[in-house]
Amino acid sequence: GQQLNQSPQSMFIQEGEDVSMNCTSSSIFNTWLWYKQDPGEGPVLLIALYKAGELTSNGRLTAQFGITRKDSFLNISASIPSDVGIYFCAGHPGNQFYFGTGTSLTVIP
Amino acid sequence: DGGITQSPKYLFRKEGQNVTLSCEQNLNHDAMYWYRQDPGQGLRLIYYSQIVNDFQKGDIAEGYSVSREKKESFPLTVTSAQKNPTAFYLCASTSTDTQYFGPGTRLTVL
Repeated sequence: GQQLNQSPQSMFIQEGEDVSMNCTSSSIFNTWLWYKQDPGEGPVLLIALYKAGELTSNGRLTAQFGITRKDSFLNISASIPSDVGIYFCAGHPGNQFYFGTGTSLTVIP
Repeated sequence: DGGITQSPKYLFRKEGQNVTLSCEQNLNHDAMYWYRQDPGQGLRLIYYSQIVNDFQKGDIAEGYSVSREKKESFPLTVTSAQKNPTAFYLCASTSTDTQYFGPGTRLTVL
């Protein structure tokens, strides 16, 4: 199955900094999803996007559905230590879901 | 509480044994999925089911089997034919193009 290109692969940032990550696909998607996963746990849904150009926020998190429908971005503002984890995207063209390989985020206090 | 439950959290299996992983959801979702997660790799689809009594193979179905006799339940059996079964297994269900995951089962083959 298709795997999405997610970057960066890892990030080390100072507490309080903003974070940006993105996913790109060779195919058009109808839905983009962003998840956070802690070690040994299941992924938790952060934000769901359903329309090209849509910009949605969840607290300090903001995600956008790209106009081309082939990409999506996730921003985290004013990072805190509990933001540590792996963030990954998922795209849904209408049948199966396809996933990025994740961005590992480390926040240095 | 509504959600997806997976049991057990940790499972150990001897080589040559079949083992069944449980997945239950009370979200009234029609579609359910099984994924395998290995370190450094994205999620890989094993099987999925969009309605009761129907399921389709995913990208890595060899060595696995499933059943969908009830809407709420989608158990996964890892058979002895699966050559490298040690992994983290995630069950998910879907509503309105949005997928939700269970807490996962870590399977270790001894």
